[in-house]
Amino acid sequence: EAQVTQNPRYLITVTGKKLTVTCSQNMNHEYMSWYRQDPGLGLRQIYYSMNVEVTDKGDVPEGYKVSRKEKRNFPLILESPSPNQTSLYFCASSWAGSRETQYFGPGTRLLVL
Amino acid sequence: KNQVEQSPQSLIILEGKNCTLQCNYTVSPFSNLRWYKQDTGRGPVSLTIMTFSENTKSNGRYTATLDADTKQSSLHITASQLSDSASYICVVSAGGGNKLTFGTGTQLKVEL
Repeated sequence: EAQVTQNPRYLITVTGKKLTVTCSQNMNHEYMSWYRQDPGLGLRQIYYSMNVEVTDKGDVPEGYKVSRKEKRNFPLILESPSPNQTSLYFCASSWAGSRETQYFGPGTRLLVL
Repeated sequence: KNQVEQSPQSLIILEGKNCTLQCNYTVSPFSNLRWYKQDTGRGPVSLTIMTFSENTKSNGRYTATLDADTKQSSLHITASQLSDSASYICVVSAGGGNKLTFGTGTQLKVEL
């Protein structure tokens, strides 16, 4: 089944403790992206990647890192999480090209205490 | 700054009725406009994608329109069903299409 998976789905952590949220897709998509969703603000793009070893900042990249060493994986790294990074995070992937449909993962709900 | 505004914020309709959701954007340079449906607790699912030259796109009971001159789009839902209850999000991409700006969504509830 074609899908985007994220792990973990739920995470509670403390300020400053490094964490990684994994994202994997099995559709051989070139494009992958991370978003956060907050009440009243909608989805905001954090980082995106056009292909292996090619990443770029979205609208809210501060406090986040990403890497794209393999085509299928696009982990989101929070080196020193803070409470304002408490949010619902979505990973998405698509074929390259501006008209391609993005497929979203199920989301990761993060609480930083 | 690129912005996407949606209205209404929320809407309640009776099953079987039609409804129209609005999206206004100030995104430049415009690449394409998408409508997504997001069920509570799940990731968004794509409904339609339209480029500058397209002014109507349908997907079953969903019909999206685009007026690139006035920078407005609408999503019309025909013969609503209970399963249409969800948040509907308008998304506009700029430049090469890789950077997306999302609206805050319209929360639709369909009741018996």
